Order: sequence, then structure tokens, then C-alpha cells
Amino acid sequence: SQTIHQWPATLVQPVGSPLSLECTVEGTSNPNLYWYRQAAGRGLQLLFYSVGIGQISSEVPQNLSASRPQDRQFILSSKKLLLSDSGFYLCAWSLLGAGDTQYFGPGTRLTVL
Amino acid sequence: KNEVEQSPQNLTAQEGEFITINCSYSVGISALHWLQQHPGGGIVSLFMLSSGKKKHGRLIATINIQEKHSSLHITASHPRDSAVYICAVTPNFGNEKLTFGTGTRLTIIP
Repeated sequence: SQTIHQWPATLVQPVGSPLSLECTVEGTSNPNLYWYRQAAGRGLQLLFYSVGIGQISSEVPQNLSASRPQDRQFILSSKKLLLSDSGFYLCAWSLLGAGDTQYFGPGTRLTVL
Repeated sequence: KNEVEQSPQNLTAQEGEFITINCSYSVGISALHWLQQHPGGGIVSLFMLSSGKKKHGRLIATINIQEKHSSLHITASHPRDSAVYICAVTPNFGNEKLTFGTGTRLTIIP
């Protein structure tokens, strides 16, 4: 069966520090991968999606970036965090794209102080 | 105006009541998703549908493509159904983006 892992579960970082969140998927090949953010009291916002290794599409201009170095690994990064980067970050995968069921990871709660 | 609107934003009901959550959207879609977000933050996909009706246990989802409207029903509600229910659509214009509603917070009181 397929599983999706995210780490860390919780992170507190100072403003201006770097960020690296990792997501890995097991039990499937060539998944579409997604990074979402949910700010406090707000809905889910798509940040990045990837249809293959090295292929990243950005939905929102910001100081975040994403990379997909391996088929089932998706990394969200920042060189310098802002206060506004605080939120709940979710990774998800699907087999056939946004018209297919998406499976979400457990999420990372990021607080930038 | 958001492309996906949900109502109500908050709903409190007694255990056993029949629950209805509504979702309206303004764009052409290829699919509509209902998601459940538990208090800890984890999200589970409940349904994906493009026409008609789907049922899973006590949950029923319906969609009317002509009216651009979907409903999620919960029969015999239980406190463990307390969660945020999120509607999302896959627009027709061919990219990989889901568009989300802001969610309905459901609380079932024992």
C-alpha cells in the first residue's frame, strides 16, 4: 500500500533562517506531488506541484522553492524565512493529476518567530 | 468572490442529526473533491465525483453539474464526525491545480 511521510511534524524557526521540509512517498511510481500551505484561519493554498523528477511548477510567487531530486521525494525550501511563512504545510500525491484523488501527508506545523 | 464557496462556515449539531454541507462553484470543472481535516490537521480524501452521487458508510456526496453545486450529507452523525470539511474542484482548464473552499467546521455534540 502507498504511504506518504513528512518531517518534521513541528518546527519553530527564527525570521531569516533557512527551511527544508521533506516529503517522501512509498508504494507508487511517478506520482504527481504537491505542496500546500494552510495559514491560520485560511483555506488550503497550492504552492508547488511536480509531475516528474526536476519538473516543478510554482503557483504563488514567494520566497519558497521546491525541488524533486528523486521520483518519490519532494522538498520545500527557503533561504530566509519570513513571519508570513508560518502555517501548516501539507504534501500530497496523486497518480493521475488534479482530477484524481489526492492523498495527504500528516503535515508540518511551522512557526516563524 | 471565491471560485468555491461553502456553507455554512460553522455547524453545530446534536449526535444523531442529519447533516448537510453545501458547496457551490463558479468555474467549469472535471471533478469535485470532498476532504475531511481532523483537529490535528491531517487531511483525508472522502470523495471525488464528477456526476451523480457516491456513498461511503454514513457519508453521501451528490453533485449537480448544471447548477454547479454539491452537497455532503452525514447520516446519524456522531461526535467523531467533528472536523473541518473542505470542498475542492479540479477546473477544466487543464492545469494541475485544485481550487479549495475555505471549509465548514462541524461540531457534533454528544
